Amino acid sequence: SQQGEEDPQALSIQEGENATMNCSYKTSINNLQWYRQNSGRGLVHLILIRSNEREKHSGRLRVTLDTSKKSSSLLITASRAADTASYFCATDSSGSARQLTFGSGTQLTVLP
Amino acid sequence: GAVVSQHPSWVICKSGTSVKIECRSLDFQATTMFWYRQFPKQSLMLMATSNEGSKATYEQGVEKDKFLINHASLTLSTLTVTSAHPEDSSFYICSARQRGGIQETQYFGPGTRLLVL
Repeated sequence: SQQGEEDPQALSIQEGENATMNCSYKTSINNLQWYRQNSGRGLVHLILIRSNEREKHSGRLRVTLDTSKKSSSLLITASRAADTASYFCATDSSGSARQLTFGSGTQLTVLP
Repeated sequence: GAVVSQHPSWVICKSGTSVKIECRSLDFQATTMFWYRQFPKQSLMLMATSNEGSKATYEQGVEKDKFLINHASLTLSTLTVTSAHPEDSSFYICSARQRGGIQETQYFGPGTRLLVL
């Protein structure tokens, strides 16, 4: 079942600006992951943040996790036209199955 | 790094025919593989989880007789869409979890686009 909701559904910004996407989920998690998908392509893993972590950085990406609010955010700094893609959060829920449940996604468009 | 391939990358078929999609882990052994379906402008929905040598576990609402999954080896899982209909047209993506690897990591294939006429 679809657990995560993301907002905004679509975001359009100018190159050089920062882009922030939010994800909310419903159940307890082991970790939360962010993926990128270019149109019609497979998924690229961006970053993973564990339930006991609050913030994580990777290059121009910054992810936060608030387990009390069951929410996460992905910040892309100094965006580039090549960052144009759909971004999905995915939760790895507590339990033995270790399945990923994907959010609804945010379509990011970075205008040159 | 761990690579997962899918074949074919796209397929067009007539309504009523069956289509087989392969998912291979190229440089690692996969104890568990997952199959997802993605409709245009929507998110990925998990269809089923397959463990090597055992029957697949299907998500609620996914017909196991329509979507046959076989995970016969540690490097190959297949999804067969039987008697395909236009509403089965979608983007099918597999992922694999590495045997002995970090259990929180799944490696995704590039996807297979199915169009049923």
